[in-house]
Amino acid sequence: GAVVSQHPSWVICKSGTSVKIECRSLDFQATTMFWYRQFPKQSLMLMATSNEGSKATYEQGVEKDKFLINHASLTLSTLTVTSAHPEDSSFYICSARDSRYLNQPQHFGDGTRLSIL
Amino acid sequence: GQQLNQSPQSMFIQEGEDVSMNCTSSSIFNTWLWYKQEPGEGPVLLIALYKAGELTSNGRLTAQFGITRKDSFLNISASIPSDVGIYFCAGQERNDYKLSFGAGTTVTVRA
Repeated sequence: GAVVSQHPSWVICKSGTSVKIECRSLDFQATTMFWYRQFPKQSLMLMATSNEGSKATYEQGVEKDKFLINHASLTLSTLTVTSAHPEDSSFYICSARDSRYLNQPQHFGDGTRLSIL
Repeated sequence: GQQLNQSPQSMFIQEGEDVSMNCTSSSIFNTWLWYKQEPGEGPVLLIALYKAGELTSNGRLTAQFGITRKDSFLNISASIPSDVGIYFCAGQERNDYKLSFGAGTTVTVRA
C-alpha cells in the first residue's frame, strides 16, 4: 500500500520551456502533498506544501510564479516549472500523506530528473 | 524546516557487519522517520516512530525514538550488499506535517 507515482521520470528540454510534473497517490487519498528539490549529494529541500482544493504554501525563497502547484483532486498534484532555465535543473520529488489520520508518514514518488539545456 | 544533525556522513562496511547511525535535533519532534534512497529514485520509508522511547524493528532494521524526543537512531544488522544507499532521518515537529531532514548517511557494503 501507500504507492506514489511520479511522471515523467526524466525530462530534457530547452531553456524557456514550461515543464509539468505529475504526482499521483495510487491507493490512498493524498489530502496533503509536498514538493521537494534535491541537488546531487544533498538532502531534500521542501519547496511547497499543498492541501487538496487549497492554494499551495511555499517555503521561503521559492518563487510561486515560477513553480506552479495544483492539487485539484485527492489523488493528483502537479508542479509546473514555468519558463525553465538551466539553473532549474534538479531532481524534483513529491510526497503524499493522508492528513485525515494521525501517524501517517509521507510516502515519496520516484522523482523527476529535470535537465534544462 | 531545520537541518538535523545526522552522523556518520558515510560508512564503508564489510558484508555481515552491523551499521549504526543517528540523528539529533535542537527541537522536540513528535515523529521520527527513517528513509532509504537509492540513486535516481525517491526515498522509501523504512521505519516510522511516533512515541518517545519507542523501539521498532523492520526485519534487520531497528530504530528508536529517543526519550528526550530530540534524537533517533537506526541500526542495520548483518548488512548485505543491497543495503547500499543513502539513509535519511526525518523529523516532524508540528502538526503541519512538514519534515526536517538529516543530511544523509551513505552506506557502502563490501562483499
